[in-house]
Amino acid sequence: DTGVSQNPRHKITKRGQNVTFRCDPISEHNRLYWYRQTLGQGPEFLTYFQNEAQLEKSRLLSDRFSAERPKGSFSTLEIQRTEQGDSAMYLCASSLGQGGTGELFFGEGSRLTVL
Amino acid sequence: AQKVTQAQTEISVVEKEDVTLDCVYETRDTTYYLFWYKQPPSGELVFLIRRNSFDEQNEISGRYSWNFQKSTSSFNFTITASQVVDSAVYFCALSVNSGGYQKVTFGTGTKLQVIP
Repeated sequence: DTGVSQNPRHKITKRGQNVTFRCDPISEHNRLYWYRQTLGQGPEFLTYFQNEAQLEKSRLLSDRFSAERPKGSFSTLEIQRTEQGDSAMYLCASSLGQGGTGELFFGEGSRLTVL
Repeated sequence: AQKVTQAQTEISVVEKEDVTLDCVYETRDTTYYLFWYKQPPSGELVFLIRRNSFDEQNEISGRYSWNFQKSTSSFNFTITASQVVDSAVYFCALSVNSGGYQKVTFGTGTKLQVIP
């Protein structure tokens, strides 16, 4: 399978714990995005990487959230001191930069439940 | 700021009926892309179609067709002869260039249920 891969698919945690999600984009894609989707809503942009550089962060990304893409390949999204309001689906997407046609290719998402 | 409105929250149709999903967008950019994505119960967003702002030609692809009208800022999507497998949430999205990357804004989605 050469699509975008995310893990874990589901995570249940207690409030106050830290969680980390991983995203493996399509290999030739240099752009990587994290989105958050809550029930009944469309995905909301969190952050964007071009290669290893984090170039854009949404105001939704509080200081408890940190994302990295250390070698310009896979990315991690860590949430520290989770709160119940963090419960959502976290979606990763990748796209081709120059020469691409703009569409994002999404993974299946990582669903977080904070108890 | 960009905005995408999908006024239809849920639609139910009987199998083999045609169904049109509405999408209205707002942007001040003159260059943009419009997309439709499908999200089945598994959760993955599946890319369906893309249109750029300079191409208003409407197309048919199999059972899918779309109607892009800049004059009304609408990008509607039609499924002909719907099937149960079409049951999913459909998202309309608008993409503009923002500081070198494509900033994508999604609508709130339309849940389509196709009844056998």
